[in-house]
Amino acid sequence: GDSVTQMEGPVTLSEEAFLTINCTYTATGYPSLFWYVQYPGEGLQLLLKATKADDKGSNKGFEATYRKETTSFHLEKGSVQVSDSAVYFCALSDPPGNQFYFGTGTSLTVIP
Amino acid sequence: ETGVTQTPRHLVMGMTNKKSLKCEQHLGHNAMYWYKQSAKKPLELMFVYNFKEQTENNSVPSRFSPECPNSSHLFLHLHTLQPEDSALYLCASSQGPSGSNTGELFFGEGSRLTVL
Repeated sequence: GDSVTQMEGPVTLSEEAFLTINCTYTATGYPSLFWYVQYPGEGLQLLLKATKADDKGSNKGFEATYRKETTSFHLEKGSVQVSDSAVYFCALSDPPGNQFYFGTGTSLTVIP
Repeated sequence: ETGVTQTPRHLVMGMTNKKSLKCEQHLGHNAMYWYKQSAKKPLELMFVYNFKEQTENNSVPSRFSPECPNSSHLFLHLHTLQPEDSALYLCASSQGPSGSNTGELFFGEGSRLTVL
């Protein structure tokens, strides 16, 4: 069956550090891939998405590339800010718009 | 603002109470979902409705009763809950499996439930 595996947290970084959160997936079909972010006390918000191999999703300085050969969708940001402190979830939809699978979430804390 | 509104945002109830959570989506979507988010646990899918019909029930105890009167509204009726049911309950919507779409979910802000 389909599944998503993302790196365990928590992750603590200094402001302006480089961020990588690893995500790999298993899918029987051809999924769409997503990163969601959850700020304290809020629901999940879509951060970025990619729908086919080699697509790069980007938003707010975050990027992730759909790598079919390595079944990965790692989240990166070149310079994190305190305001990026949140929990990040990798997810897939297979088939798109039907079944959804979430990773366990990675908590990020950015310190000044 | 994601287009999905949940009320109430916070709810405290005793184990013998009956209460309901409400979700409304203004996105024209055909599918609606209830998820449970507990501390230190993965996101749990509870129920899925497509075009008002329940298409998934992930072995959820009967003390949780969903209702979907139309494609824009979703309720979760709660009765005789247990303290371990305390969690953040998230509603989401999507276009659903029909048509070509990229399939993302749009979440509400959640209803924080505390069962005493």
